[in-house]
Amino acid sequence: GESVGLHLPTLSVQEGDNSIINCAYSNSASDYFIWYKQESGKGPQFIIDIRSNMDKRQGQRVTVLLNKTVKHLSLQIAATQPGDSAVYFCAETPNDYKLSFGAGTTVTVRA
Amino acid sequence: NAGVTQTPKFRVLKTGQSMTLLCAQDMNHEYMYWYRQDPGMGLRLIHYSVGEGTTAKGEVPDGYNVSRLKKQNFLLGLESAAPSQTSVYFCASSYYPDREEWETQYFGPGTRLLVL
Repeated sequence: GESVGLHLPTLSVQEGDNSIINCAYSNSASDYFIWYKQESGKGPQFIIDIRSNMDKRQGQRVTVLLNKTVKHLSLQIAATQPGDSAVYFCAETPNDYKLSFGAGTTVTVRA
Repeated sequence: NAGVTQTPKFRVLKTGQSMTLLCAQDMNHEYMYWYRQDPGMGLRLIHYSVGEGTTAKGEVPDGYNVSRLKKQNFLLGLESAAPSQTSVYFCASSYYPDREEWETQYFGPGTRLLVL
């Protein structure tokens, strides 16, 4: 079964607000985590990654937080824009090279 | 640099027909992957390849075959298509996944397959 899951399948956010997308994982051996963004009709696009020896990593308008104690991963998007509307997937590496994906959270940005 | 490309973009098959999906990458990546994506589910790994001439099974390999005759190409074949294989298929590639310098997977645009 799925070892990576997202807490909510959908998220509606007002333009300009911050978004928080959550993900729970179950494999303690995973040491690398990735967030992907998938727009309609396109393939998943890399957003940001984090290794298990870190608890926070920041990119451009995005921050990923990792809590290994409770096996929780989150993606924060600052000042959400209409172009951020997409499906967001978290993925983990339970072994060397195969990613395990969650089901995804659909983010809709309201104008 | 086109990245990862997939052909065709869309295809309709009748049950029992066969077809081959082509994935090509121009990034000199060693590892290549085929996933399928179904509504409400994440991507599930069908087959993967760790280098030219090698292939291995993923989570959901039944009903599919693959070949990696050239480093830049990874083919996914359906010998006898079934309605359960209606899905969107994504190809991905990555560098050497050394645990010290793991590289992310880069995805193609997808192939939408409908089996009637």
